[in-house]
Amino acid sequence: DGGITQSPKYLFRKEGQNVTLSCEQNLNHDAMYWYRQDPGQGLRLIYYSQIVNDFQKGDIAEGYSVSREKKESFPLTVTSAQKNPTAFYLCASSDRLGDEQFFGPGTRLTVL
Amino acid sequence: AQKVTQAQTEISVVEKEDVTLDCVYETRDTTYYLFWYKQPPSGELVFLIRRNSFDEQNEISGRYSWNFQKSTSSFNFTITASQVVDSAVYFCALSPFSGGGADGLTFGKGTHLIIQP
Repeated sequence: DGGITQSPKYLFRKEGQNVTLSCEQNLNHDAMYWYRQDPGQGLRLIYYSQIVNDFQKGDIAEGYSVSREKKESFPLTVTSAQKNPTAFYLCASSDRLGDEQFFGPGTRLTVL
Repeated sequence: AQKVTQAQTEISVVEKEDVTLDCVYETRDTTYYLFWYKQPPSGELVFLIRRNSFDEQNEISGRYSWNFQKSTSSFNFTITASQVVDSAVYFCALSPFSGGGADGLTFGKGTHLIIQP
């Protein structure tokens, strides 16, 4: 089945630790995105990538880093520089500019 | 700068009632896309519709309908004869058609729709 997978579903980390969230898609989409969602809030764009080896900062990139070494994969690292990392993280992909984005099931990160 | 406003934080109706979710947007782009997504309790966003800015025809899909009015910068979503399974958070979103990079979506804060049996 085609789609987007994110792992793990729930993640707990101690304050000060870096953590990497996985996102894989088998839709053959060029573009991939990372969003953050806080309770009662809409989604905010962290990073996006249009093609392999290229990515751009979104609205709230500080404290996060990404890589795009393969078309199918777009991992997000939440670094210790992110002041408030506890949130729900959603990965998405789209085929072309303006196309609908398909979302993964999300990873809920809790920093203790 | 782009902005999407969903003024209704939460709506509660009884099953079988019709309900309209409001969405107002701001953008300086002349061409753009508008979207509606549904987020059930599981958390995964489900795509409902995409509308481009030069197509103002209303659209109906089963019990769902969308009213796009460029003159008032609104893209409202109506559910007819609501059902309990429609309970979810609904997001309106905006994407520029910049011709450049694959920009992300600008989301509203969402409307939590509760359908009571």
